[in-house]
Amino acid sequence: GAVVSQHPSRVICKSGTSVKIECRSLDFQATTMFWYRQFPKQSLMLMATSNEGSKATYEQGVEKDKFLINHASLTLSTLTVTSAHPEDSSFYICSARLGELGDTQYFGPGTRLTVL
Amino acid sequence: GQNIDQPTEMTATEGAIVQINCTYQTSGFNGLFWYQQHAGEAPTFLSYNVLDGLEEKGRFSSFLSRSKGYSYLLLKELQMKDSASYLCAVRGVIKAAGNKLTFGGGTRVLVKP
Repeated sequence: GAVVSQHPSRVICKSGTSVKIECRSLDFQATTMFWYRQFPKQSLMLMATSNEGSKATYEQGVEKDKFLINHASLTLSTLTVTSAHPEDSSFYICSARLGELGDTQYFGPGTRLTVL
Repeated sequence: GQNIDQPTEMTATEGAIVQINCTYQTSGFNGLFWYQQHAGEAPTFLSYNVLDGLEEKGRFSSFLSRSKGYSYLLLKELQMKDSASYLCAVRGVIKAAGNKLTFGGGTRVLVKP
């Protein structure tokens, strides 16, 4: 149980285009999902907390108009990187919380974004 | 805020034991997690401590001292596949932080034959 998937696993795009990344909880319902970004040889940095049916909560320094988050159902959250630039190239990872507030977060396999 | 420190790299020999320390200073504490992350992959959950003491799971054990703001992950009988980064993460107080995790920089463990 507690499987989280992400799609696509890898994407290469031109500068200025938008990219959508999907995060799905496959065998459980997740009222809260989290989006992280990880640059090479660095740790995970939380970008935003995605709540089903309400607006996402963004961390300080993360532009909400650039990183659009939609959590339309209990099993799906999407992150759209709008007008991507080379500095947005990174490893984007989502996680979903199983159960109540005190439970563990389970991570998706990540999406490697390369912006040319 | 949260400040989490762990060593950058450690090297150990196959079959040996390695201890990865993690110290934290946080404005609120509601549990500490250890994750394993292989290069290019997402983190996988290893252990969770919220009370003081030792939690053992097979070859992996994790210890927590809340008064000292200190945890360690102990890896026994090291195998080559244990070469990975190990991430220490602290969960904030629920109301203020909404179950957010703050990650340390990760410790890269290299297991040599």
